[in-house]
Amino acid sequence: QVQLVQSGAEVKKPGSSVKVSCKASGGTFSSYAISWVRQAPGQGLEWMGGIIPIFGTANYAQKFQGRVTITADESTSTAYMELSSLRSEDTAVYYCARGRRSLYDSSGYSARDAFDIWGQGTMVTVSS
Amino acid sequence: SYVLTQPPSVSVAPGKTARITCGGNNIGSKSVHWYQQKPGQAPVLVVYDDSDRPSGIPERFSGSNSGNTATLTISRVEAGDEADYYCQVWDSSSDHRVFGGGTKLTVL
Repeated sequence: QVQLVQSGAEVKKPGSSVKVSCKASGGTFSSYAISWVRQAPGQGLEWMGGIIPIFGTANYAQKFQGRVTITADESTSTAYMELSSLRSEDTAVYYCARGRRSLYDSSGYSARDAFDIWGQGTMVTVSS
Repeated sequence: SYVLTQPPSVSVAPGKTARITCGGNNIGSKSVHWYQQKPGQAPVLVVYDDSDRPSGIPERFSGSNSGNTATLTISRVEAGDEADYYCQVWDSSSDHRVFGGGTKLTVL
């Protein structure tokens, strides 16, 4: 059973950057879409962007364009999300999530697929 | 950008049926997914592609989607169903995933 294991909690100063990792274990990594979703305290889920590791090109939500960078290392089955110019409003739990079907699924991959596996979340606190 | 609208809260007595709606412009033309999130936990997929259930999700969870409204229906509600529920779609015009604002289900 595939698991997504994320890096530990971070405390950052305003204006700095944070890089969160998401390592896949127990299954294929490169041919599945990985997205990053964040949740501010007491708030809802917010999609930040995603990547298909085998392609290497990321797609970002407009809100985060220019501030977020999503990458993936196929050799270690790990995806990364780096957010720069941090401000207090970026205090949130950050999740990685995997798309339900791989590029090679017999029923066909689709960008409209649901997220069927989630990481445990990484708390990022931005405070001076 | 595409907007999904959910009621902030829904309350239901144990054993009854809960219906949580997700509104969006012509949402019936999209595939809608539903996630359950309990406090301090990561979201869990409960319905995908409008009405399919992942393995391990009880048959009490079902979904429908037509016109401008998608609905998650939870039959014979149990105390353990108390959670936040989020709908989600893919917006093809922007190639972005979009979440609804979430609905808190309270079991009375």
